[in-house]
Amino acid sequence: KNEVEQSPQNLTAQEGEFITINCSYSVGISALHWLQQHPGGGIVSLFMLSSGKKKHGRLIATINIQEKHSSLHITASHPRDSAVYICAVLIQGAQKLVFGQGTRLTINP
Amino acid sequence: DAGITQSPRHKVTETGTPVTLRCHQTENHRYMYWYRQDPGHGLRLIHYSYGVKDTDKGEVSDGYSVSRSKTEDFLLTLESATSSQTSVYFCAISVGLGSYEQYFGPGTRLTVT
Repeated sequence: KNEVEQSPQNLTAQEGEFITINCSYSVGISALHWLQQHPGGGIVSLFMLSSGKKKHGRLIATINIQEKHSSLHITASHPRDSAVYICAVLIQGAQKLVFGQGTRLTINP
Repeated sequence: DAGITQSPRHKVTETGTPVTLRCHQTENHRYMYWYRQDPGHGLRLIHYSYGVKDTDKGEVSDGYSVSRSKTEDFLLTLESATSSQTSVYFCAISVGLGSYEQYFGPGTRLTVT
């Protein structure tokens, strides 16, 4: 079983819809990282959080340490949000990330 | 933009040849990482460095070696490339010191024929 599980693996939605991507983990962590990768493109850091909630534009990330769960929300989704979203956890006591498999998001106009 | 560059960006090589990939950063960050990304596996850590001449293995280090003789450069070497090492390789840096956020380079697509 992977230490970091994302759901869903694939998500297709219409422009304007509210999007939620989930990340669950089974190990003790210091922080959790959300990353974005466009097709054929590089990997961009979206958020790093260890508690509560962070917001940047239309993106919101939340984490519940007790439940070992994080969500990434996108409000008013747009076709340019189409990308793979990757969850990664920073293992407690280490400077190494463990990655989920990614969620492929497609937003249709 | 964390000032990370990778070279080359694309490379095709033959089985059995040595290959070196370079990661260069401009901001003197202590931690640097090499990952490979493959369909069905996501990102996996090959090696990482926590300072000049200080390196450690990741989860998929077999067949790879690294060197860091200067803060700004982290080299990944495939001593004798195999087809299973065909992948996209990403370098990353961590700003550390309480903020463990990682920033990634643009990637190197390596094909071993």
